[in-house]
Amino acid sequence: ETGVTQTPRHLVMGMTNKKSLKCEQHLGHNAMYWYKQSAKKPLELMFVYNFKEQTENNSVPSRFSPECPNSSHLFLHLHTLQPEDSALYLCASSLRQGDEQFFGPGTRLTVL
Amino acid sequence: AQTVTQSQPEMSVQEAETVTLSCTYDTSESDYYLFWYKQPPSRQMILVIRQEAYKQQNATENRFSVNFQKAAKSFSLKISDSQLGDAAMYFCAYGGGSNYKLTFGKGTLLTVNP
Repeated sequence: ETGVTQTPRHLVMGMTNKKSLKCEQHLGHNAMYWYKQSAKKPLELMFVYNFKEQTENNSVPSRFSPECPNSSHLFLHLHTLQPEDSALYLCASSLRQGDEQFFGPGTRLTVL
Repeated sequence: AQTVTQSQPEMSVQEAETVTLSCTYDTSESDYYLFWYKQPPSRQMILVIRQEAYKQQNATENRFSVNFQKAAKSFSLKISDSQLGDAAMYFCAYGGGSNYKLTFGKGTLLTVNP
């Protein structure tokens, strides 16, 4: 088990639901990341937070809304998702932006 | 923009044998990092090895070593004495630029045959 945890591990939601993914790191890191991993595609970086400030939004649709209340916690709020948003969502953290990243186990999201 | 290419979607190796996974990248920067990550079927992404571009010496971590050719922009991973637990998806990643964003390749699925 690494120092990055994600909940829930699995989530099934309808297109009209609102849900949130949570990520917590216990490593004292200052940068946190959200990635989307779809089948047969490279990992897609979604958002980057450095010292609680968003430093990267990789043209992510507004139905994904990140929140970083402190350096240890990162949320991804989901609203009105589409079936093509079904994927594994990975959270990662690093001591500084650019250092090696430590990943959580991911949340497997299915949108019906 | 940086790109990372892993030309081998799948590889297989016999237990105890050696296998090399290929990775090439494209960049105009001189200062950057390169990584190999492993993602077993459990889905937890694990850092295998890291290389700083300014270091000429190839990084090694036990049975894992890299062949870093900066001029050729090549960063291959060699796994010696392959074990069943090495079976996983392996991702090559580049970290650089003003914000040192990581760019990942598409991955190579490694199968280890007993």
